[in-house]
Amino acid sequence: DAGITQSPRHKVTETGTPVTLRCHQTENHRYMYWYRQDPGHGLRLIHYSYGVKDTDKGEVSDGYSVSRSKTEDFLLTLESATSSQTSVYFCAISPTGSDTGELFFGEGSRLTVL
Amino acid sequence: KNQVEQSPQSLIILEGKNCTLQCNYTVSPFSNLRWYKQDTGRGPVSLTIMTFSENTKSNGRYTATLDADTKQSSLHITASQLSDSASYICVVSARGSTLGRLYFGRGTQLTVWP
Repeated sequence: DAGITQSPRHKVTETGTPVTLRCHQTENHRYMYWYRQDPGHGLRLIHYSYGVKDTDKGEVSDGYSVSRSKTEDFLLTLESATSSQTSVYFCAISPTGSDTGELFFGEGSRLTVL
Repeated sequence: KNQVEQSPQSLIILEGKNCTLQCNYTVSPFSNLRWYKQDTGRGPVSLTIMTFSENTKSNGRYTATLDADTKQSSLHITASQLSDSASYICVVSARGSTLGRLYFGRGTQLTVWP
């Protein structure tokens, strides 16, 4: 299994509170991604990173920010959580950002916003 | 509009039986198509990748086919086992993006009964 650790794995929080999810990899891969997975939808890209301090928005980035200060860590922050952000969040890594690259996913972080 | 549609949405089969899952896409320009398996509570794991020139590829009891002309792919599972119970996700990559723009299907939920 690819060395990807997400934390926390489960979190319940209240509307309006800040939340940070962490993705830690031991593979030294350059590319890291945050997705959310909801019933009735395919995986949707929130933000991605192509290097330390290099990040960009995905298709559902509103309400989320990211940071990558080290190769191994990619943080996803919800500045003020809303109920619509209740979801399962997956971190993924890839050694190459090319269109043939394989994604290696973490185990997911289940977030519930009350 | 680039889209990936999977059918059926869910499927129940008896252990030992075969089944076929379908994926239709409109992604252009096409680069490759991957099938991922996602066990309940886990992240997706790649089963196989199909490029434009490939028609069939096998991975154990899993056989994927690709018809690039009709933009269809199938995943055939032979002699199903209880451990095949999972969601199977079709992911199509668009050619030309250095960051591998990916289009996710919503998945087919397969349940194998003893």
